[in-house]
Amino acid sequence: QKEVEQDPGPLSVPEGAIVSLNCTYSNSAFQYFMWYRQYSRKGPELLMYTYSSGNKEDGRFTAQVDKSSKYISLFIRDSQPSDSATYLCAMSEYSSASKIIFGSGTRLSIRP
Amino acid sequence: GAVVSQHPSRVICKSGTSVKIECRSLDFQATTMFWYRQFPKQSLMLMATSNEGSKATYEQGVEKDKFLINHASLTLSTLTVTSAHPEDSSFYICSARSNPGTSGAGGETQYFGPGTRLLVL
Repeated sequence: QKEVEQDPGPLSVPEGAIVSLNCTYSNSAFQYFMWYRQYSRKGPELLMYTYSSGNKEDGRFTAQVDKSSKYISLFIRDSQPSDSATYLCAMSEYSSASKIIFGSGTRLSIRP
Repeated sequence: GAVVSQHPSRVICKSGTSVKIECRSLDFQATTMFWYRQFPKQSLMLMATSNEGSKATYEQGVEKDKFLINHASLTLSTLTVTSAHPEDSSFYICSARSNPGTSGAGGETQYFGPGTRLLVL
């Protein structure tokens, strides 16, 4: 069993839709949870960073962490074609600057 | 914001040759750099962690004699793929973090480079 499981997609939704991306994990020691966006042939870019359980909102993006269920989510409101990318969840025991374990990534396509 | 560069962005080489990839932090000093490998449609897998001035720590299953890492300065780490073979073809990505407690650029997170695509023929 992988430490972090993520549905690879692809996921295709119309412009303006709400997108829900999810990951599950098995290591209860994870305390730091991140979402990265990766465009084709580029390095990942940090989108959201959450410590422990709870919600965090930044513009159109909302990250949720439920440690009791070992489940994290990223919601994108009013999705735009420019949001089309691969979204990677990532987790760490100590901090976002320490060893990170990535999910396999979900390919998202927003149709105009 | 913190910027990390990689050079080259892509390289094609013959089987058996060695390839060196550079990772630079442009606007902050990076005490720690990480090297990842990403195969097509797969996630990033951590290969090794390098701390400036000391030997790199390799993840289980990564051959340290094949993937040589040098972190000789606070802004530069290099990954050398020795005697490369076609199965080493992959996307190699580095990330860098600044000194702990540093505010501003770098801070307490990892900043990723744009990646280097290696194709071994």
